[in-house]
Amino acid sequence: AAGVIQSPRHLIKEKRETATLKCYPISRHDTVYWYQQGPGQDPQFLISFYEKMQSDKGSIPDRFSAQQFSDYHSELNMSSLELGDSALYFCASSPGPRDGNQETQYFGPGTRLLVL
Amino acid sequence: AQSVTQLGSHVSVSEGALVLLRCNYSSSVPPYLFWYVQYPNQGLQLLLKYTTGATLVKGINGFEAEFKKSETSFHLTKPSAHMSDAAEYFCAVSGNQGGKLIFGQGTELSVKP
Repeated sequence: AAGVIQSPRHLIKEKRETATLKCYPISRHDTVYWYQQGPGQDPQFLISFYEKMQSDKGSIPDRFSAQQFSDYHSELNMSSLELGDSALYFCASSPGPRDGNQETQYFGPGTRLLVL
Repeated sequence: AQSVTQLGSHVSVSEGALVLLRCNYSSSVPPYLFWYVQYPNQGLQLLLKYTTGATLVKGINGFEAEFKKSETSFHLTKPSAHMSDAAEYFCAVSGNQGGKLIFGQGTELSVKP
C-alpha cells in the first residue's frame, strides 16, 4: 500500500514569503498530524486533524494555518516566513478509532523548507 | 503532561555488539510508547510500540524493547549491531487514546566495523 505522500519534497523561499505544504494520508486514514523538525532537533508537534476538524494544537505559530479537506488530505499554510522556519516538516497519518491501531502514526518523507 | 528523556545523544558500538539505547518517560496517564528510526534525509519509521499487554515488545530489524513501569523506562536493545543500524533513534510517548507524539531528543547510533 502507498505510504504518506508529502509535496513538495524540497522548497526554497525568501523571508516574508508564503509557502504551502501538502500531505496525502494513507488510504482510509482519517487523522493527520504535522510536525516540525529543526536541524539536529527532535520533531515538535504542530497540529492535528480528525475527520476534517482540528483535534489538537501544539506549538504552531500564528503565522501558520492548516486544514484537512474532504478527501482527508491536509495543507499547512505558512505566511511571513522567517529564517527560523527552516526545518523539515513531517506529516503523519493514523487510522481512525473504528479501524483500530489509531495510536500508530505513519510518517511521510517530509518537506525540507529553506528560508533565505 | 508527558515527556521523554533519552540518555546519550550519541552511542557508538562495534559491529556484532549489543545495542542499548535508553529512554525514560514521564506521563500522568498510562502511556503508549514508541521507538522510531530516522535514516539521513528520510522520514521516521516505526520500529516498535508498547500499548498494553506483554511488556517485552519485539519490532522490526531484530530490535526489542521492554516497558518497565516501576522504572518509567522503555529501553531499546538489539543483540548484535549491524552496519545498517547506523541512524538516529527517537523514543516517543503518547496518551492511551493515541494522539500527538512527544519525542525525546534522539540518539545517534554509530556502528564501527
